[in-house]
Parts: sequence; structure tokens; C-alpha cells
Amino acid sequence: ETGVTQTPRHLVMGMTNKKSLKCEQHLGHNAMYWYKQSAKKPLELMFVYNFKEQTENNSVPSRFSPECPNSSHLFLHLHTLQPEDSALYLCASSQPDRGVNTEAFFGQGTRLTVV
Amino acid sequence: GESVGLHLPTLSVQEGDNSIINCAYSNSASDYFIWYKQESGKGPQFIIDIRSNMDKRQGQRVTVLLNKTVKHLSLQIAATQPGDSAVYFCAENMNTGFQKLVFGTGTRLLVSP
Repeated sequence: ETGVTQTPRHLVMGMTNKKSLKCEQHLGHNAMYWYKQSAKKPLELMFVYNFKEQTENNSVPSRFSPECPNSSHLFLHLHTLQPEDSALYLCASSQPDRGVNTEAFFGQGTRLTVV
Repeated sequence: GESVGLHLPTLSVQEGDNSIINCAYSNSASDYFIWYKQESGKGPQFIIDIRSNMDKRQGQRVTVLLNKTVKHLSLQIAATQPGDSAVYFCAENMNTGFQKLVFGTGTRLLVSP
């Protein structure tokens, strides 16, 4: 248990569906992240939030829409996805200490399958 | 651009052997490096980290070596156990005030009894 909880663990959705992934961290961290992990590819950073403000959008298609209502919760809203969007979506959090980076703690991920 | 690469996709060792997993990075401005372990069905788990002002750091059974001259990072696991079987990722981060970890493709470590 890393203190970062993601739901659901598995999701199958059609290309016309709208769904949301949820992430909650119980670590008191101020930074939260979405990563995408595809088979045989490096983890790809998608979005970064610091103190609820988005500070990084790594050229992610608009069919992925993040939301960070507070420092403990992060959502990824999905709509009109493509089969190639099938992947493991990982949420992470960290607590940079006075500008010095520290390790990111990851959730278990949501295995997304787009059919 | 930024990139992190791993030399070997799969490493097979016998239980009790020492394992060495290597990683090359290309961003000379990176000042923080992390090794993660990922088991099947789980998210990456922090193993050990090192900052650029160090060249070696030891943990319990693990040692990370950093060679900034050749931009090389390695993870050494002593007395490898079957429970060490997993995919290992190195990640680099620039000190931008927030985390922006760039990950390698990963090395699968297989430990035989």
C-alpha cells in the first residue's frame, strides 16, 4: 500500500463512452501526476498538478481531460477514446521539498481497454 | 531531447547471484535519479534514489551507482532472490520545482531458484 489509491482497477469502455478514472492520495502531497504505460513502452507523463494547478500537459489529446479539485484527488475524464488508448494509467504523487524533487509514489493503476 | 534508455530488456540470474541492471540517460541537466520496481499487476514501487552530487548510494541489498561523465546509472542487487523478479525502471528528473520523471523502457529481471 503506497497511500495512492486508484479506481477502478479495470475498465472496459466503448469508443463512444464517457468514463472517469479516480485517484486519491493519503500522503499529504501537493503534486499529482497521470502517467500512461503501454506494452513495451516507457511510462509516459501525461499531466502534472501542483497545488491543484496544472503545470504540465505533455501534448496529450483532448479526449483525455484531467481534473484536480483538491490536492488529494485527481481525475482523468475519458471520452471518444481509440483502441490505441488501451493501456495502464498510473497516478502518482510527490512532495517536492523546497524545490528539491523527491520520489513519486504510484498507485496500482487502472487497466483500460477500449473496444 | 530527453531520453532514458536501458541496455538489456531481460536479465536472467540464479538465486543468490548479484544482479546489475544498467541505464543510460541523455539529459546532463538531470540532477535526481530513481530506480523503481514494478511487479505484475502493480504500480511502480520506489527502490532507491540518488542525487547528482553523489556517485554511490546504498540501501538494503541494493546499491545505485551514478557516473555523470558517461551519463550512466546502475542498480546492483546483492544476493538476488526470487521475490526480486520484476521489471526495473530507471527514471531521471530535472530540478524544475516539480516532478517530471522520464522513464526508461525497463529491464525484466528473472530470478531462478
